[in-house]
Amino acid sequence: EDQVTQSPEALRLQEGESSSLNCSYTVSGLRGLFWYRQDPGKGPEFLFTLYSAGEEKEKERLKATLTKKESFLHITAPKPEDSATYLCAVPLPSGSARQLTFGSGTQLTVLP
Amino acid sequence: EPEVTQTPSHQVTQMGQEVILRCVPISNHLYFYWYRQILGQKVEFLVSFYNNEISEKSEIFDDQFSVERPDGSNFTLKIRSTKLEDSAMYFCASSDPGGETQYFGPGTRLLVL
Repeated sequence: EDQVTQSPEALRLQEGESSSLNCSYTVSGLRGLFWYRQDPGKGPEFLFTLYSAGEEKEKERLKATLTKKESFLHITAPKPEDSATYLCAVPLPSGSARQLTFGSGTQLTVLP
Repeated sequence: EPEVTQTPSHQVTQMGQEVILRCVPISNHLYFYWYRQILGQKVEFLVSFYNNEISEKSEIFDDQFSVERPDGSNFTLKIRSTKLEDSAMYFCASSDPGGETQYFGPGTRLLVL
């Protein structure tokens, strides 16, 4: 049973064309939702942590939001250098909050 | 900016051989982790380590895997007898005492032939 589902699997945008990536989760008692960026052959790079519904975080062209069932990563006026796979992750409901389960990611391509 | 480092970046080994993957976590962090990512698949949790002992491990982390913090800076993952299906990217991560955010290293690409 998937606890973290990301959509779409892949997204191609023209430079400047804003869009949103979705991460839906089924865990109860959410103890944080994490967004990472992963470039090919590299490790996940931390972007944001969100803890409660209604929370928003921003960094440059990226804004992450959280509801009770999903999170969105909004990309405003993207540039080619924003091309990467974007991963979301949540801690498992059992045990500590440190065992992350990841979604499959959204592979974003921004065309010049 | 402090970062997690990993060595080697690539490792090729024969099936049945032992491999040790090395990591240097961020210096003031106390929680350490190993994850793996098989090509084209999700990042998967293997193990977490705190206060010189394993705090959690997944079903993947069976008896052929072990972790160690041999000194004050290194954190290692040993695979005793590698299998073909162990071929993957292995990521080390660390988090500070107060936070739950995990910072990942660049990974070691392991290829088992």
